[in-house]
Amino acid sequence: EDQVTQSPEALRLQEGESSSLNCSYTVSGLRGLFWYRQDPGKGPEFLFTLYSAGEEKEKERLKATLTKKESFLHITAPKPEDSATYLCAVQEGQAGTALIFGKGTTLSVSS
Amino acid sequence: DGGITQSPKYLFRKEGQNVTLSCEQNLNHDAMYWYRQDPGQGLRLIYYSQIVNDFQKGDIAEGYSVSREKKESFPLTVTSAQKNPTAFYLCASWAGQGSEKLFFGSGTQLSVL
Repeated sequence: EDQVTQSPEALRLQEGESSSLNCSYTVSGLRGLFWYRQDPGKGPEFLFTLYSAGEEKEKERLKATLTKKESFLHITAPKPEDSATYLCAVQEGQAGTALIFGKGTTLSVSS
Repeated sequence: DGGITQSPKYLFRKEGQNVTLSCEQNLNHDAMYWYRQDPGQGLRLIYYSQIVNDFQKGDIAEGYSVSREKKESFPLTVTSAQKNPTAFYLCASWAGQGSEKLFFGSGTQLSVL
């Protein structure tokens, strides 16, 4: 059973059409939840870390939120350059423990 | 600039051959990790090392080996026992102390000839 599940697998948006990506998790002792962006053929690029339910973080058109069971990555008025795969990961236990990743959501934004 | 350097970017393996992927970091991070990524799949943990001269198996360690003789270096060997090695391999290190996140290298694409 997957500990981190992302949905949808793929999302197509028109430029300016806001939407949300979901990340649900089943780990028992969440230490942190991480969002990354990955472009094809490249390593993931860090976006956010969330630690506790109710926490929110923003960066440009992206806003991440966290509840006790899931996290959302809200994309407001996306642009074509936001097209990428967005990865969610969780960390249990102590700092430095290996992150557990979901399979990602591939976002395509057309102009 | 500080970062993680993976080499080579592309690697081809013949059947029965062992190949080694290089990972070097100048971030002074203690913990380092190897992940494997297959198309449409998430990242799966192969090995990790919290400190020099110590490492642990991840979820898919069979057919792989690592060493950690220096803080800066964490090479991964894909052995002939790994029957399906074609994948994108990512090395990462952990930044703690108030900036907690994984830094990733740019990856190595391994293919079988």
